Amino acid sequence: GESVGLHLPTLSVQEGDNSIINCAYSNSASDYFIWYKQESGKGPQFIIDIRSNMDKRQGQRVTVLLNKTVKHLSLQIAATQPGDSAVYFCAENKGSSNTGKLIFGQGTTLQVKP
Amino acid sequence: NAGVMQNPRHLVRRRGQEARLRCSPMKGHSHVYWYRQLPEEGLKFMVYLQKENIIDESGMPKERFSAEFPKEGPSILRIQQVVRGDSAAYFCASSAGQGSYEQYFGPGTRLTVT
Repeated sequence: GESVGLHLPTLSVQEGDNSIINCAYSNSASDYFIWYKQESGKGPQFIIDIRSNMDKRQGQRVTVLLNKTVKHLSLQIAATQPGDSAVYFCAENKGSSNTGKLIFGQGTTLQVKP
Repeated sequence: NAGVMQNPRHLVRRRGQEARLRCSPMKGHSHVYWYRQLPEEGLKFMVYLQKENIIDESGMPKERFSAEFPKEGPSILRIQQVVRGDSAAYFCASSAGQGSYEQYFGPGTRLTVT
């Protein structure tokens, strides 16, 4: 079936540590993946994306890794800060439909302890 | 460059009334998407529109819900005869192209049906 799922509902890390948020997807035809950050009461904020012809992409303090063999996506946040506390969603776009429809996972809550 | 704008930010309706949610995409974007988010859940795709065309409405409930994106003016998501189960946050996103393009989200409209 079509689903994008997250392994853990809540992740708690110490300020300054690195965070890793994981995501599994089920459709091998998906060719575009995005990570969003959502703070309470706000809309999702684009963090980073990756296309299926890549296995790694880096941004500012964030890295996304894509493992197509096991259909796994991860978001790594370096030197986690209190402002990183939010819910993180992965989303996929199915290449076969290619209408832009994004399928979202349930979300992982990241809590940063000072 | 203004981001995606949505209004109203909060909307309270009694059961049976109509709700109209508006979305103005980012400047230069002609692709609009509507998503619904229930509390503690991820976003669910509803509909994808381009100017004057509905491209994909596979996530829209069969009754009471409609969407449009006229040649001039914002995109409108209309819910007729609202019921308590319609209470949710409704997010609009826009992109510059179809498929593997970044979708940028607005702040959302929080609909409460009493």
